[in-house]
Amino acid sequence: AQSVTQLDSHVSVSEGTPVLLRCNYSSSYSPSLFWYVQHPNKGLQLLLKYTSAATLVKGINGFEAEFKKSETSFHLTKPSAHMSDAAEYFCVVSETPGSARQLTFGSGTQLTVLP
Amino acid sequence: ETGVTQTPRHLVMGMTNKKSLKCEQHLGHNAMYWYKQSAKKPLELMFVYSLEERVENNSVPSRFSPECPNSSHLFLHLHTLQPEDSALYLCASSQGSFGGSSYEQYFGPGTRLTVT
Repeated sequence: AQSVTQLDSHVSVSEGTPVLLRCNYSSSYSPSLFWYVQHPNKGLQLLLKYTSAATLVKGINGFEAEFKKSETSFHLTKPSAHMSDAAEYFCVVSETPGSARQLTFGSGTQLTVLP
Repeated sequence: ETGVTQTPRHLVMGMTNKKSLKCEQHLGHNAMYWYKQSAKKPLELMFVYSLEERVENNSVPSRFSPECPNSSHLFLHLHTLQPEDSALYLCASSQGSFGGSSYEQYFGPGTRLTVT
């Protein structure tokens, strides 16, 4: 069975400072991992994905995430927050590549960016 | 239109009404999904269609009835809903639901449903 835990339900940062959104996963197999972002009244947008290639994954809008198997973590980072980054972020794990039934979503982290 | 579109964006309905949500994907994908997003709860997968056949039904009440007439269109028919069914309903599509190298899902903007 697979699961994903987003360790913070809310994160606040000042504009221009680094962002760290934490995600831990549990999986019986080699997982695929995703981060999605959801702006208010919008659908979910794929930020980046890890599929057993490079452990450091670069995504859109300057975000990146590092897959650490020993720590079962897939934290999302950005060097410098922008006001437009304020949104909800979801960490997602897929245990069986290509299997939609195995997608499990975290409960989300709300990111607030202060001016 | 590009990506995944959903109509209507907002819907208010009484418990005795019948309405339908529509989803259309313009990405050439062969799998489509319905999700329910309620406040303070993780995203819940409701239905999965692959190549127009339903392959997943996560114990969803029968008052929700999906329909997938072709690989580009997905409907969610609603009848005799309850207030607790109020939520954001998201549609998504992917290139393959089983196997395939490109399986990340692309989401529509959602329909905000309020049941009164």
